[in-house]
Amino acid sequence: AQSVTQLGSHVSVSEGALVLLRCNYSSSVPPYLFWYVQYPNQGLQLLLKYTSAATLVKGINGFEAEFKKSETSFHLTKPSAHMRDAAEYFCAGNFGNEKLTFGTGTRLTIIP
Amino acid sequence: EADIYQTPRYLVIGTGKKITLECSQTMGHDKMYWYQQDPGMELHLIHYSYGVNSTEKGDLSSESTVSRIRTEHFPLTLESARPSHTSQYLCASSPPPPSSETQYFGPGTRLLVL
Repeated sequence: AQSVTQLGSHVSVSEGALVLLRCNYSSSVPPYLFWYVQYPNQGLQLLLKYTSAATLVKGINGFEAEFKKSETSFHLTKPSAHMRDAAEYFCAGNFGNEKLTFGTGTRLTIIP
Repeated sequence: EADIYQTPRYLVIGTGKKITLECSQTMGHDKMYWYQQDPGMELHLIHYSYGVNSTEKGDLSSESTVSRIRTEHFPLTLESARPSHTSQYLCASSPPPPSSETQYFGPGTRLLVL
C-alpha cells in the first residue's frame, strides 16, 4: 500500500539556521511527490513538486527538496530559516490513482 | 495555479441545522476534491469529482453529500449538523494534463457545530 510518512510532528530551528523536514514514502509505482505549507487558518499552498524530471526540485520561498529513490525520501530543506517560515508543512504523494495521500504534517517553529 | 474560493470561511451553527459549504473555481478544472482536516491533523479525502454529474466518496467515510451540476461549483452539504462534524473542510481542484497530478487548494471553511 502507498503511504507517506513525515518524521517529527514538531521541529524547532533558530532564525537563520538550516531547516530540514523529513518525508519518506512507500510506493510500488513511481510517485509524484509534493510539499505544501499551511499557515494558521488558511488552506494549503503548494511549495514544490517532484514529477520525475529533475531529482532536486526548487520551490517558492527558498525551499527545495531532493527525491532519493534509493532512500524513498523527499526531504524539504531551506538554508536559512525566517520567522515567516513558521507554519505547518505537509508532504503528499500521488501514486497513480489521481488522489493525494498526505503525511501527518510537521509544525515548524522558528526561534528568534 | 487555480483560483479556488470557499464560503463561508468560518461557520458556527447549532446541532440539527442543514448547511452547505460552497466551493468554486474559475479555471474550468474538471477534477475537484473535498478534504476534512481536524486541528493539527492530516487531510482526509471525503469526496471527489471528475466532472459534471460525477461524484465519488473518498477514503474517509462522511455523512456529507456533494453535487456537481456545474464545472465551476462543487458544494458540500450536511443535512443535519452534529458536533462530530466540527472540523476544517478544504476544497481543491486539479488542472488537465500535463499537470493533472497537482492539486490546488482553497482557503478552507472552519466549521463549529454547537
